Amino acid sequence: QQPVQSPQAVILREGEDAVINCSSSKALYSVHWYRQKHGEAPVFLMILLKGGEQKGHEKISASFNEKKQQSSLYLTASQLSYSGTYFCGTERQRGVQGGSEKLVFGKGTKLTVNP
Amino acid sequence: ETGVTQTPRHLVMGMTNKKSLKCEQHLGHNAMYWYKQSAKKPLELMFVYSLEERVENNSVPSRFSPECPNSSHLFLHLHTLQPEDSALYLCASSQLRGGTQYFGPGTRLTVL
Repeated sequence: QQPVQSPQAVILREGEDAVINCSSSKALYSVHWYRQKHGEAPVFLMILLKGGEQKGHEKISASFNEKKQQSSLYLTASQLSYSGTYFCGTERQRGVQGGSEKLVFGKGTKLTVNP
Repeated sequence: ETGVTQTPRHLVMGMTNKKSLKCEQHLGHNAMYWYKQSAKKPLELMFVYSLEERVENNSVPSRFSPECPNSSHLFLHLHTLQPEDSALYLCASSQLRGGTQYFGPGTRLTVL
């Protein structure tokens, strides 16, 4: 039920790119991405509702492959401020009723950006 | 105040104490949540309230007792906690149950 995130941790130099993956064993209704800096609350980044949808937020974008039941978060030209733990939260399809079940979070991917 | 606020931000309590955590959302949302976040563990959903009714309780021990007097306020009453209950307790709210959640800053709880 809990989505699986990979990698668990990644270390970058400023300006490098990274991809964080989030996959589920069940059909998904939506994928949410959050970033949590040390000692702070998770902050919402974006939500993807449709299969194949891609959204962007500054130099951070994400895609949602409904067939593969997977979402990827792309961080390009990383900045020091991107450091933190990235969580994906997934909502499963609620069968024939439609709509979604509760949001379940992955274990997180710790991203460290060094100068 | 805007967004989701939580008080206190830090709390140290003994195992025999009774304390309460407070959450207030200023977003006009209808659903509120309590999460527990321990070191190196994912966010664990504890309780969900939708339109002031508890709709989910994820096998949380009875020493944690939630209260939702109205759609803007959520409390977590603590009684006879254990040291393993030490964690960051996060409150969140969303427009509807299952929608995008906005988190408060959390209460860092230490049980001695």
